[in-house]
Amino acid sequence: GQNIDQPTEMTATEGAIVQINCTYQTSGFNGLFWYQQHAGEAPTFLSYNVLDGLEEKGRFSSFLSRSKGYSYLLLKELQMKDSASYLCAVMDSNYQLIWGAGTKLIIKP
Amino acid sequence: GAVVSQHPSWVICKSGTSVKIECRSLDFQATTMFWYRQFPKQSLMLMATSNEGSKATYEQGVEKDKFLINHASLTLSTLTVTSAHPEDSSFYICSARGSASSQQETQYFGPGTRLLVL
Repeated sequence: GQNIDQPTEMTATEGAIVQINCTYQTSGFNGLFWYQQHAGEAPTFLSYNVLDGLEEKGRFSSFLSRSKGYSYLLLKELQMKDSASYLCAVMDSNYQLIWGAGTKLIIKP
Repeated sequence: GAVVSQHPSWVICKSGTSVKIECRSLDFQATTMFWYRQFPKQSLMLMATSNEGSKATYEQGVEKDKFLINHASLTLSTLTVTSAHPEDSSFYICSARGSASSQQETQYFGPGTRLLVL
């Protein structure tokens, strides 16, 4: 079966760095996505990785290792507005997105 | 770029009525649109995938006669919840994927529609 695993909840301090991990087992791989979803709102696109390595975009970076079926989202200089759920999703061989359950990130002052 | 709109953003209706939700891609052509449902504090649940001009593909457990999907053009898909009941109350979110090479992978989400059935 297809499976995406990520922690249910994480807590971090304002100004710090946090890494949210995602492991996956899917039928085929056409890329991995990270989305941010604030409470009561729709998800917004953060990043897309299809090749191994680190993609940096401002305070957010995303890493992929296809051989390990592993990705992480790194958030630096955390701000209170970063409190949200972070969704990991993998596009399988049929170009369908398989979603993780999301990681709720709580930022404390 | 890659903006998706949804209308309405809020619907309150009586049990037994039908509700139509529109999803539009504003600045790109969406060859594929997706409809999701999300209950409070739960994950996104894919309901159906629709390609322009063809019938939607429904996920297991989603009643196609209850959730009617029409993807009549490259910028518009509609979801109609027929004979809505209180258990259909949820957050309905559409997403769209484009046809251009730079858009073929990423799904862009609409802002969602909150449905409350009394």
